[in-house]
Amino acid sequence: DARVTQTPRHKVTEMGQEVTMRCQPILGHNTVFWYRQTMMQGLELLAYFRNRAPLDDSGMPKDRFSAEMPDATLATLKIQPSEPRDSAVYFCASGLPTENTEAFFGQGTRLTVV
Amino acid sequence: DQQVKQNSPSLSVQEGRISILNCDYTNSMFDYFLWYKKYPAEGPTFLISISSIKDKNEDGRFTVFLNKSAKHLSLHIVPSQPGDSAVYFCAASKWDYKLSFGAGTTVTVRA
Repeated sequence: DARVTQTPRHKVTEMGQEVTMRCQPILGHNTVFWYRQTMMQGLELLAYFRNRAPLDDSGMPKDRFSAEMPDATLATLKIQPSEPRDSAVYFCASGLPTENTEAFFGQGTRLTVV
Repeated sequence: DQQVKQNSPSLSVQEGRISILNCDYTNSMFDYFLWYKKYPAEGPTFLISISSIKDKNEDGRFTVFLNKSAKHLSLHIVPSQPGDSAVYFCAASKWDYKLSFGAGTTVTVRA
C-alpha cells in the first residue's frame, strides 16, 4: 500500500524554536511538493523538487524556511525560528510527472507555534 | 498571485441532488486540471482530472467540464451523498507539473 508518510502528525512548539517536518515520498516518485493549508489561500505551494533538486521555492519565506531532499526517500521542511503565524497544516505530496498523473498527499503535519 | 480561484467557499445541497463546484484560472498555459477531495484531519485525495484537449471527463457520479475559452472548469456530483461532504480543491498545472491549488469549497450534503 504505497503512501506518502509525514512525521510528526502534530507538533506544538514555542515561538523561536526550530521545527523540522519530514516526508517520505512514494517509492519511485521523482517529484515532491510542500504545501501549507491556510483558510485564505487554501493549499499554498511552498516548494517543489524534481529528482531531489529544488525547482521552485518562491512560496517560502526565505529568511526562516528551508526545504531539502537529503536522499530520494526523505524530504524535510525546516522553520527556524518559528513564529505564531507559521501555525498551519503542512502537507507533503509526491508524484511522477508522466502524462495525466496526479500527486499523492500525506496526512499532513499540524503545527502550532505558541 | 492566486492563479486558481474557487470563489464559493461553501455549498450546501440536499442528498440526491446535484452539486456543482466552480473553478476559474488565469494562466492560459495550464493544460491539466484536477479535483481533490479532503476530509478533516486527512490529506487531500485525488478525485478526477481532465486535460486541456478534452472538454468533459466522467467517472461514476463525478463529471468535470472544462471551458478553455472562459478559463473555467466545474465539477458535477450526481447524485450527492452524505459521504460527499468534504472540502473540494481545484488544481491546475502546466507542462512542469507544478500544481497550483484554489482555496477550496466546503460541500455539505444534507440528509
